[in-house]
Amino acid sequence: EDQVTQSPEALRLQEGESSSLNCSYTVSGLRGLFWYRQDPGKGPEFLFTLYSAGEEKEKERLKATLTKKESFLHITAPKPEDSATYLCAVQASGGSQGNLIFGKGTKLSVKP
Amino acid sequence: ETGVTQSPTHLIKTRGQQVTLRCSSQSGHNTVSWYQQALGQGPQFIFQYYREEENGRGNFPPRFSGLQFPNYSSELNVNALELDDSALYLCASSLPGQKNYGYTFGSGTRLTVV
Repeated sequence: EDQVTQSPEALRLQEGESSSLNCSYTVSGLRGLFWYRQDPGKGPEFLFTLYSAGEEKEKERLKATLTKKESFLHITAPKPEDSATYLCAVQASGGSQGNLIFGKGTKLSVKP
Repeated sequence: ETGVTQSPTHLIKTRGQQVTLRCSSQSGHNTVSWYQQALGQGPQFIFQYYREEENGRGNFPPRFSGLQFPNYSSELNVNALELDDSALYLCASSLPGQKNYGYTFGSGTRLTVV
């Protein structure tokens, strides 16, 4: 069964304290792995798509990496405005294109 | 370019009633997917529409149904509402085949069933 597990469930950081969020997945053929940011009461906001092991993408203080079994979202010198829930999702090559399988997310709090 | 818009933003319904949620896809996106997100959980795939046809469905009963219109907008209909249907309903649009594409989500409709 295709599934996504994110850890930790919650993470509290001080402003400037770098850390990483983990997304472990099992899928029968990976078409793509997606990272989203979600603020309370809002829809997920697209961050990155990764397609193959070894791929990396960066955006401001965020960097996403991908291996054959997991993905990491590295946050460098976070600011309070980075506080949000970060969601990881995979799209299996055997499923319909719209079928993203999401993890439960990591709730990040960054204190000034 | 306009993003994905959903209406209404909030809705309260009574158990057993029917509800229709609406979604306008991002300009140029021809594929729409619907997701259900319970509190503290990740979104769960309900179904997807492409060229006005359903072309993928998650583990949801037939009382969840949908439509896509020629302008790519979409509706989600839920019949015989149950208390467990209370959730944030998200619509996402995409343009398959586009390099480095990502699904664009709307802000959702918060449905409360009492």
